[in-house]
Amino acid sequence: DADVTQTPRNRITKTGKRIMLECSQTKGHDRMYWYRQDPGLGLRLIYYSFDVKDINKGEISDGYSVSRQAQAKFSLSLESAIPNQTALYFCATSDLLQGPDTQYFGPGTRLTVL
Amino acid sequence: AQSVTQLDSQVPVFEEAPVELRCNYSSSVSVYLFWYVQYPNQGLQLLLKYLSGSTLVKGINGFEAEFNKSQTSFHLRKPSVHISDTAEYFCAVRGGRRALTFGSGTRLQVQP
Repeated sequence: DADVTQTPRNRITKTGKRIMLECSQTKGHDRMYWYRQDPGLGLRLIYYSFDVKDINKGEISDGYSVSRQAQAKFSLSLESAIPNQTALYFCATSDLLQGPDTQYFGPGTRLTVL
Repeated sequence: AQSVTQLDSQVPVFEEAPVELRCNYSSSVSVYLFWYVQYPNQGLQLLLKYLSGSTLVKGINGFEAEFNKSQTSFHLRKPSVHISDTAEYFCAVRGGRRALTFGSGTRLQVQP
């Protein structure tokens, strides 16, 4: 079984809809991250969480919100989706002992907003 | 503030040839540097990292990178590439407690 899972893997939605992307991990890591990937722009950090009560905005948090329901779960929400949020979204985890830089990525969620 | 510039968006190379993927960074504090690889339809995985010590870092799959502080560079190299190295490669930097900042990526295309 994969250590970092993301659901759904693909989603097509319409402008204005509320969308939630979910991430679960079985690695026991304390740190979790949400990124979006756009062609030619690499990965940009949306939100990150160092533990359940420590949530921080990344460089592109506008239009997104997150919830860390438990150590193993970190959800990303788009309250009112817009077409320029069409992208590939990745969840990642890391562990304090290994350092925050050895991040383990999920398989990604491809989101299309029409 | 910290940033990463990957100078080449695509690098075509023939199998068994050497390759260098370029990365330059900027940071106002001491940095930690990384290379991640993304194979088609997969998430990213760590290739190698520089935290301190020797400036030549060896990673998985025969890749290595050299940290050059005076040139603010962290170029990735492999002496002989294989078809299976076809992927997108991302350089990343972290300064202090901040999260990683990724470059825009370099697509390595290995041709037979």
